[in-house]
Amino acid sequence: DQQVKQNSPSLSVQEGRISILNCDYTNSMFDYFLWYKKYPAEGPTFLISISSIKDKNEDGRFTVFLNKSAKHLSLHIVPSQPGDSAVYFCAAGGYNTDKLIFGTGTRLQVFP
Amino acid sequence: DTGVSQNPRHKITKRGQNVTFRCDPISEHNRLYWYRQTLGQGPEFLTYFQNEAQLEKSRLLSDRFSAERPKGSFSTLEIQRTEQGDSAMYLCASSSWTGDTEAFFGQGTRLTVV
Repeated sequence: DQQVKQNSPSLSVQEGRISILNCDYTNSMFDYFLWYKKYPAEGPTFLISISSIKDKNEDGRFTVFLNKSAKHLSLHIVPSQPGDSAVYFCAAGGYNTDKLIFGTGTRLQVFP
Repeated sequence: DTGVSQNPRHKITKRGQNVTFRCDPISEHNRLYWYRQTLGQGPEFLTYFQNEAQLEKSRLLSDRFSAERPKGSFSTLEIQRTEQGDSAMYLCASSSWTGDTEAFFGQGTRLTVV
């Protein structure tokens, strides 16, 4: 079963505009969520995380929003830059599980 | 410290051969994870260690797979009698503790079984 879902395989955004990447999960027991960015032939790189007790976390151009009632989180990138073009993975973890469950990823392309 | 290091970066092997991958985590991290990623999918958890103890194994890890972390530092992942379905990117990650903190990933080992 897919506990973490990213239903949009790709997203194309113009440079300078906002990119919104979405993620849904089914397990209400997750304690924290993370976003990773991955370039081809490289390992995932951590971007930003959020605890389940919060609804927003911001770090520079990146903001993650968590809606626990909807079991939904989103990553906002503003302004988007061409260097942001990559695959973005949503991941979820729990204090009693010690592993991350990843979504299938969304490929973001930022064009000039 | 240069981060999580994985060797080799690429491995091509014939079906039926054994392969071994190595992961050197960030030195102060006591947790080490192995994940596998195939095309179009996110990383899938295989197993993890806390120090030298292997605490959890995914059902994805068949009997042909074995992982070790003998001294709580580097780890090896061995695949015996490789099959074409084993072709994937094998990712190693490390972290310092459980919590809303990130795991740091290596660059991965790309395995191709021909």
